Amino acid sequence: QVQLVQSGAEMKKPGSSVRVSCKVSGGTFSTHTITWVRQAPGQGLEWMGRVIPVLGTADYAHNFQGRVTITADKSTTTSYMELSSLKSEDTAVYFCARPADRGTFDIWGQGTKVIVSS
Amino acid sequence: DIQMTQSPSSLSASVGDRVTITCRASQSISTYLNWYQQKPGKAPKLLIYGASSLQSGVPSRFSGSGSGTDFTLTVSSLQPEDFATYYCQQSYSLPYTFGRGTRMEIK
Repeated sequence: QVQLVQSGAEMKKPGSSVRVSCKVSGGTFSTHTITWVRQAPGQGLEWMGRVIPVLGTADYAHNFQGRVTITADKSTTTSYMELSSLKSEDTAVYFCARPADRGTFDIWGQGTKVIVSS
Repeated sequence: DIQMTQSPSSLSASVGDRVTITCRASQSISTYLNWYQQKPGKAPKLLIYGASSLQSGVPSRFSGSGSGTDFTLTVSSLQPEDFATYYCQQSYSLPYTFGRGTRMEIK
């Protein structure tokens, strides 16, 4: 079955960037979008954006416009989420997810904890 | 962006109770509404999609209803493993926004 496996935890300084990966195994990579969602400590889920691998295009939430880049590498069936100009408020667990249909997320990665601290 | 408002934000209930969580969209989303369950330290788990369709493997005590702007998630008889946080999410239009969650605790 389809599995999403994310890269490990990161600790970053304010102002730096972080790149988190999401390896997709099983299924067909290009036929589904990959979405990224984040969850700050004790907070709810926040949709960040998605990539459409077959087109190589991405859509982003307004809150992250200009700071986030989501890509997909079809050769390695991996999606990447890069967040720049990090602030302490970006401390969160970042999840990738794949929708069964449209924006219905039935498959999730295990989450990657990113801590932003000086 | 479509705003999703969940209520209550938390609730206390006992095993065997019937509980209902409400989700309201800021505009009509037809039945493009999903419900997720999340336990601490884990990824969300899809429970209900399309407002009322039960995801494969999810117990039948979970049910969803609604259309347009008002939706509900009902658990007919709470089990110990159901104590978690529940989120609604609209998949009508980008960005696919989530509600702020309902934390379900044991009374």
